[in-house]
Amino acid sequence: SSELTQDPAVSVALGQTVRITCQGDSLRRYYASWYRQKPGQAPVLVIYGKNNRPSGIPDRFSGSNSGNTASLTITGAQAEDEADYYCNSRDSSGYHLVFGGGTKLTVL
Amino acid sequence: QVQLVQSGAEVKKPGSSVKVSCKAPGGTFSNYGISWVRQAPGQGLEWMGRVIPILDVANYAQQFQGRVTITADKSTGTAYLEFNSLRSEDTAVYFCARDLEYSNSAVQFFDSWGQGTLVTVSS
Repeated sequence: SSELTQDPAVSVALGQTVRITCQGDSLRRYYASWYRQKPGQAPVLVIYGKNNRPSGIPDRFSGSNSGNTASLTITGAQAEDEADYYCNSRDSSGYHLVFGGGTKLTVL
Repeated sequence: QVQLVQSGAEVKKPGSSVKVSCKAPGGTFSNYGISWVRQAPGQGLEWMGRVIPILDVANYAQQFQGRVTITADKSTGTAYLEFNSLRSEDTAVYFCARDLEYSNSAVQFFDSWGQGTLVTVSS
């Protein structure tokens, strides 16, 4: 089992706001990063650090942190946001990296 | 995004080994690491380990320790994943990813990925 826990599935109505969460003790010390993966494709970085977006990622994607929980928020979800989302950070030792189990986002 | 280029698909017998390569753009690593991540069919992402070429240091996830070796050739800008004693459950897509960190390692992320290499283990 992963040291980072994500809900397996979340749904959102088109144009509405959705929050995807990632929980783990290591998140009290380390930031999470977030990745979007569509079927048959490599993951794509969408958020890293406190709340940083790589170039090309729309500003409807944002990140936040509180205690042992990191969150990815999509404000005004679009059909093209339907994908699997993974968080990543360090494990509790700080020496190894780890992914959450992933959240399948459905846009209705 | 910077694109890493991986070697092609492999089919291997149980008990054999495989070596997958990952070439950095421009043939240089600069000062970042390369991690390997696998994804079994229908499953999530699993971090296997990383190498920091400038330091010649590698570390591995506990579940792969002893079966996996990750190396980097600085002269060609190519990283390698060598995986021994393959089992059918190792059938997966293997990704390399550029691994960056800052703020005294509090921030770590993968900012670019290879296209993935399918390794099929079957008798």
